Amino acid sequence: SQWGEENLQALSIQEGEDVTMNCSYKTYTTVVQWYRQKSGKGPAQLILIRSNEREKRSGRLRATLDTSSQSSSLSITGTLATDTAVYFCATDQGGRALIFGTGTTVSVSP
Amino acid sequence: DMKVTQMPRYLIKRMGENVLLECGQDMSHETMYWYRQDPGLGLQLIYISYDVDSNSEGDIPKGYRVSRKKREHFSLILDSAKTNQTSVYFCASSFDNYEQYFGPGTRLTVL
Repeated sequence: SQWGEENLQALSIQEGEDVTMNCSYKTYTTVVQWYRQKSGKGPAQLILIRSNEREKRSGRLRATLDTSSQSSSLSITGTLATDTAVYFCATDQGGRALIFGTGTTVSVSP
Repeated sequence: DMKVTQMPRYLIKRMGENVLLECGQDMSHETMYWYRQDPGLGLQLIYISYDVDSNSEGDIPKGYRVSRKKREHFSLILDSAKTNQTSVYFCASSFDNYEQYFGPGTRLTVL
């Protein structure tokens, strides 16, 4: 089955830096969601961007969506050590259950 | 308080034993899901339930079955567990499939 793929598997940065992670997907989707999973916890939704939106912001988060290239990005500005987590993109298949990518591990050092 | 609970959190079983994983949610969501998560593979959908007794196979249903007799409870059953079913299992619920609320996970080890 088709599913989202994060382009970079792991990133290590210093607190205060900005970080961007990318996701490409292969099938039509009505929305792209970004989830964050901290160690030992279940994933939690961070931001949702619809297919008719190019950009969505929420606090320090910024998501973009390019439906022509079937790609999305998530940026975090001014990272904190508490942003250390695995970040997943998720796409739908026109309404069925979400398809999750393999995740990008972000490690933020204090 | 929107919450998805999972029991048990950790479980060790021997190959061939039966396994029951339980999930509960307090949001009256119609749709619930079971996923497994393995290193490097992300979340793989096992089963999806659209409401009581309305279950559908996900991408990797082989070796699993589910039961949903009440809207707030969704169980995952492994009959005769296998070592390759060692994984972390997540339950989730959703109102509209746009946002899924996940439980804390169950770490299952099959020896």
